[in-house]
Amino acid sequence: DVKVTQSSRYLVKRTGEKVFLECVQDMDHENMFWYRQDPGLGLRLIYFSYDVKMKEKGDIPEGYSVSREKKERFSLILESASTNQTSMYLCASSLYPKVRGQETQYFGPGTRLLVL
Amino acid sequence: AQSVTQLDSQVPVFEEAPVELRCNYSSSVSVYLFWYVQYPNQGLQLLLKYLSGSTLVKGINGFEAEFNKSQTSFHLRKPSVHISDTAEYFCAVSHMNTGFQKLVFGTGTRLLVSP
Repeated sequence: DVKVTQSSRYLVKRTGEKVFLECVQDMDHENMFWYRQDPGLGLRLIYFSYDVKMKEKGDIPEGYSVSREKKERFSLILESASTNQTSMYLCASSLYPKVRGQETQYFGPGTRLLVL
Repeated sequence: AQSVTQLDSQVPVFEEAPVELRCNYSSSVSVYLFWYVQYPNQGLQLLLKYLSGSTLVKGINGFEAEFNKSQTSFHLRKPSVHISDTAEYFCAVSHMNTGFQKLVFGTGTRLLVSP
C-alpha cells in the first residue's frame, strides 16, 4: 500500500512565525503536491513537484514556498504565517504515468494548521 | 481551463436509501475523472476513476459513476447507503500534461446518512 505521511496532524502557530510542513511518501513517486482545503472551496493546489529540486506554482502559491531535496520528501514553508493561512493542508503523491492507470494521487492524512 | 461543479453542498439521506451525488465539469480537451472520499479527520481516498473505455465505472464500497460526455457529467451513485458512508465526496478532473497530473477539485458534497 502507498503510504503518505505528514509530520503533524495539528499545529498551532503565531502570526509571523516560520512554519514547516513535512510530507514523506514511501512509494518512489516522482510527483508530489501540496493542497489547502477550506470549507466551501474544496482543495486548491499550492505547489507541486515532478522531480527532486523541481517545483511549479499551483493556483494559490502566494505566501508559500516549497522544498524537495529528496525524492520521498516534499516540504511546504510558510515564511511568515498569517491568520488567513489557517487551514487544512494535504499532501499527495503520484507516479509519472508511463502506463494509463498510474495517474492516481495518494493523499496523506492532512495537517490542520491554526495561526493565531 | 478546467472546472468542476458539484451542485449539492450537502445531501441528507436515510440508511439503505439510494443516493446520487452530482458532478459536472468543463474542459476543452479530453479529461480523466475521479471521485475521492474524505472520512472525518482523514485524508482523501480514491473511490473510482474514469480514464477511458466503458462509461460506467465501479469503485470501492459499492459506489459507481457514469461518464456522460454529451452532458459533461460524472455523477456518483450508490443503490443503498450505510451510516458508514457519511463523509465528504469530491469530484476531480485532470488531463495529462508532460507527465504530471494536475487535479482540479469541486467544492465537495457532504453526504449525511441517518438511521
